[in-house]
Amino acid sequence: GESVGLHLPTLSVQEGDNSIINCAYSNSASDYFIWYKQESGKGPQFIIDIRSNMDKRQGQRVTVLLNKTVKHLSLQIAATQPGDSAVYFCAENMGGTGANSKLTFGKGITLSVRP
Amino acid sequence: DGGITQSPKYLFRKEGQNVTLSCEQNLNHDAMYWYRQDPGQGLRLIYYSQIVNDFQKGDIAEGYSVSREKKESFPLTVTSAQKNPTAFYLCASSSLPPGGDSPLHFGNGTRLTVT
Repeated sequence: GESVGLHLPTLSVQEGDNSIINCAYSNSASDYFIWYKQESGKGPQFIIDIRSNMDKRQGQRVTVLLNKTVKHLSLQIAATQPGDSAVYFCAENMGGTGANSKLTFGKGITLSVRP
Repeated sequence: DGGITQSPKYLFRKEGQNVTLSCEQNLNHDAMYWYRQDPGQGLRLIYYSQIVNDFQKGDIAEGYSVSREKKESFPLTVTSAQKNPTAFYLCASSSLPPGGDSPLHFGNGTRLTVT
């Protein structure tokens, strides 16, 4: 598979526990944020997004929190499962044009789920 | 099933040869993108296109070329001028909602190795 996880920080969690993955973004003007999950050898998969006029958004088993004061984004995964093991990365968009041309991606964090 | 298809999954070329990577989408998305992913790094934008017969350079366009003759297709050519072409290439697409952002949908990538 594709070695996208090389040299990335790793978060190890016990199966069934909750996971919290953090991301510090760089630009206070960014107004749209996305979390992606990437499994080995595959393309990134959209998990959840949030706009800057919100501070929390929930999906199925996932919650994204946005703290604009400290430019911090987090992804919470409830009841982590082995299938959640992957590289997770956040992206911020400054563009506002809908073209995603100003989308900046973080380097990612490897989530490892212990059985 | 709607989605983005990249082919081939693995591609090997000799230095000095041009090579074209295929990307097809049936999501009826207006915008398409090419990213490059290197181990332990964030995605970097090569080229993007918002409409047929038009495209713009991204952050690392040197040594690459694209075309957008059809809405569904956005092939990427890696030319011999690209100094470090070995990488994992990801194609993505998105809709262009008026005044808003929309997440990228990615293909499963092409791993290019140039020796």
